[in-house]
Amino acid sequence: EPEVTQTPSHQVTQMGQEVILRCVPISNHLYFYWYRQILGQKVEFLVSFYNNEISEKSEIFDDQFSVERPDGSNFTLKIRSTKLEDSAMYFCASRGTTGYGYTEAFFGQGTRLTVV
Amino acid sequence: KNQVEQSPQSLIILEGKNCTLQCNYTVSPFSNLRWYKQDTGRGPVSLTIMTFSENTKSNGRYTATLDADTKQSSLHITASQLSDSASYICVVSFLSGGYNKLIFGAGTRLAVHP
Repeated sequence: EPEVTQTPSHQVTQMGQEVILRCVPISNHLYFYWYRQILGQKVEFLVSFYNNEISEKSEIFDDQFSVERPDGSNFTLKIRSTKLEDSAMYFCASRGTTGYGYTEAFFGQGTRLTVV
Repeated sequence: KNQVEQSPQSLIILEGKNCTLQCNYTVSPFSNLRWYKQDTGRGPVSLTIMTFSENTKSNGRYTATLDADTKQSSLHITASQLSDSASYICVVSFLSGGYNKLIFGAGTRLAVHP
């Protein structure tokens, strides 16, 4: 069964360092998302990406964050200068499209980012 | 404000018993409602997805209901198993700028004990 894969599963970084979280969405999907979940809290939307550009972003997604689809398969989230409060589980999701107006979003297993 | 509220926050049941989880939402314009299962430290996995016109949908031992008039949904788990222990998240999708946007509830943490 196709799945969204994320690497690494766990990343520890020092405050102020740059991190890149990687995702390989399901191959024929067109819409890509990043979410985060701080430990014990609800999942929060960060950004959606379609047709090689950001379609929507939340207030969390400030200038420290960026997304890229550098080739036909990878979808990355970069945090330029990490802060302690960036410690969270980051989920990538993708979905395809049908003529019915909605399709299921499939989530990856997540990358646990720990900023020390 | 678009919100999704779930209850109870946590629930403990014995293996083999049934349970029902609740979701109330104030999301507009409504597109669809999803229930996800999230094991600790893992990504959410879809259980059901329902549109405005669907009142109930089943996936094995999971049955979701939707009342779009009262903006309420429930997830009923039948004959619970130890592997059902997880967080169950209600997610409501609405249209924003031509795109579907997901609003997540805080989840109900279910523990199934032997």
